[in-house]
Amino acid sequence: QVVLTQSPSASASLGASVKFTCTVSSGHSDYDIAWHQQRPDKGPRYLMRLNSDGSHSRGDGIPDRFSGSSSGAERYLAISSLQSEDEADYFCQTWGTDYSVFGGGTKLTVL
Amino acid sequence: QVHLVESGGGVVQPGKSLRLSCATSGFTFSTYGIHWVRQTPGKGLEWVAVIWYDGSRKEYADSVKGRFTISRDNSKNTLYLQMNSLRVEDTAVYYCARAQSTATGPLDYWGQGTLVTVSS
Repeated sequence: QVVLTQSPSASASLGASVKFTCTVSSGHSDYDIAWHQQRPDKGPRYLMRLNSDGSHSRGDGIPDRFSGSSSGAERYLAISSLQSEDEADYFCQTWGTDYSVFGGGTKLTVL
Repeated sequence: QVHLVESGGGVVQPGKSLRLSCATSGFTFSTYGIHWVRQTPGKGLEWVAVIWYDGSRKEYADSVKGRFTISRDNSKNTLYLQMNSLRVEDTAVYYCARAQSTATGPLDYWGQGTLVTVSS
């Protein structure tokens, strides 16, 4: 079964940009993923679908400060013009025909 | 506007049962797959179960297979999770989430979660 790997933490300054990585396990580099944001004490919020070819589609109301890209087994989420409200956990998710899998999440600290 | 609202969480002793509900609105419930996902306090997300749009198929994580049952009532736009033989390690916030398809796929709308605590 596919496994998604994320770095546990990241930090960046207010107004700067940050990029997260979600690595798809060997043999599954053609998997599409989704990115989700979870602010403290809130439920997850869907950000976008990111395809293996790098094309992506944002969820309802998600600003274009959030973008995605892909390279091989790596799936990226980039956030520009960081705001304090972007401080959150970011999870990647993928799926098969009858299951779903999540990465361990990356905690973003906005300095 | 799409809404999913979980309920039914609480404190329960090991070995006992609990039933969660997920009331939905704002979309055609009967055309989407719906999932349960849980999150241990301070930890990551764990997929629990999925039910196909018409209830024809259900799949479970190995950790809950044989103990949990997912179901839906399309006439009430509501999803359920029957949890039997609960264990301490089932303690988590349980979320329902809509898939962007009739079964699996990106989970594009989530509820706010309901906390289940299994403790003696």
